[in-house]
Amino acid sequence: GAVVSQHPSRVICKSGTSVKIECRSLDFQATTMFWYRQFPKQSLMLMATSNEGSKATYEQGVEKDKFLINHASLTLSTLTVTSAHPEDSSFYICSAIGQAAETQYFGPGTRLLVL
Amino acid sequence: SQKIEQNSEALNIQEGKTATLTCNYTNYSPAYLQWYRQDPGRGPVFLLLIRENEKEKRKERLKVTFDTTLKQSLFHITASQPADSATYLCALVVGGGYNKLIFGAGTRLAVHP
Repeated sequence: GAVVSQHPSRVICKSGTSVKIECRSLDFQATTMFWYRQFPKQSLMLMATSNEGSKATYEQGVEKDKFLINHASLTLSTLTVTSAHPEDSSFYICSAIGQAAETQYFGPGTRLLVL
Repeated sequence: SQKIEQNSEALNIQEGKTATLTCNYTNYSPAYLQWYRQDPGRGPVFLLLIRENEKEKRKERLKVTFDTTLKQSLFHITASQPADSATYLCALVVGGGYNKLIFGAGTRLAVHP
């Protein structure tokens, strides 16, 4: 149980385009989903926390207009990187947590490369 | 400042030995601490959770200790196998309603046959 999927697993795009990444909880209802970014050999950095049906809470230094998060249902959250630039190239990972649960379950990650 | 420190150098051990990884933190008061395994190009996989009022937790070949006085957690893998080779991340839950996780940078473990 507690499986989280992400799509796509890898994406290459041109600078200036927008990219959408989906995160789904497959076998449980995720009341809260988290989006992280990880640069090579560095720790996961929390970008934002989203609850179903409400606006995401962004961490300090994360531009909410650049990283749009939509948590439309209890099993789906999307992250859209708008007007992507090469410095946005990174490994984006989502996680999900069920109600009253203590453990976050992570997706397999999405590798974004902006040319 | 708040910090979570894990050994940045890779830990190389022989198969069958016990691997011990360290996680130290400063200026946090975590409600609990978690350990995750991360393989290259993959998301973290949850291993163990230990609460602030627990000293030790075990799961199969894994053991975690949590010393809130020393602000340290130790993660042990006994009878290590090459398949245990991965990066191991510690993460603090720093409270609030959303179980926010703060991750260390991880320690890479290599188990040699």
